[in-house]
Amino acid sequence: KQEVTQIPAALSVPEGENLVLNCSFTDSAIYNLQWFRQDPGKGLTSLLLIQSSQREQTSGRLNASLDKSSGRSTLYIAASQPGDSATYLCAVSGHKFYFGSGTKLNVKP
Amino acid sequence: DAMVIQNPRYQVTQFGKPVTLSCSQTLNHNVMYWYQQKSSQAPKLLFHYYDKDFNNEADTPDNFQSRRPNTSFCFLDIRSPGLGDAAMYLCATSRVNNEQFFGPGTRLTVL
Repeated sequence: KQEVTQIPAALSVPEGENLVLNCSFTDSAIYNLQWFRQDPGKGLTSLLLIQSSQREQTSGRLNASLDKSSGRSTLYIAASQPGDSATYLCAVSGHKFYFGSGTKLNVKP
Repeated sequence: DAMVIQNPRYQVTQFGKPVTLSCSQTLNHNVMYWYQQKSSQAPKLLFHYYDKDFNNEADTPDNFQSRRPNTSFCFLDIRSPGLGDAAMYLCATSRVNNEQFFGPGTRLTVL
């Protein structure tokens, strides 16, 4: 069974810092990997989708990478802002989606 | 805008009183999912539909049922809610093996 792990569980950084969130998975037979943002009490907002044949995707200040062979993905956030404070989840897709428990990010003004 | 809509956003029910949550989509996606999410935990897949084909997770309690009368709508029925069923219920849609889009969720409280 696919296991998805996100480290760290929580992260607090000062505004303006560049940061990296990590996601690892145990089964490399995936169709894609998706990063989400979740604000407290809200649904999940899709940030980036990386297909299994791709190595990275970029959207604004966000860059996600995928290394299937090592079972790892990273989400890079440049020049963090207080509005980036949220929980970030990754999910890998085999025949269904498997989620990590998320990294709770706090960006301090 | 194409989107996933969930109603109601907040639902309060009494212990043992049946409740139905609804999800609709304007994305014309063939796959629809229901997840349960408890505080600080990952979303837990309850079941999903690939078109009309229903796929139940092995550990989804029998208390949870679902209906998908057409492509646009999907319902989650909780026949006899217990205190442990209080959670956020999330609906999502996708094309097969593609990006998932989530609704805003329904927060269920069981008294």
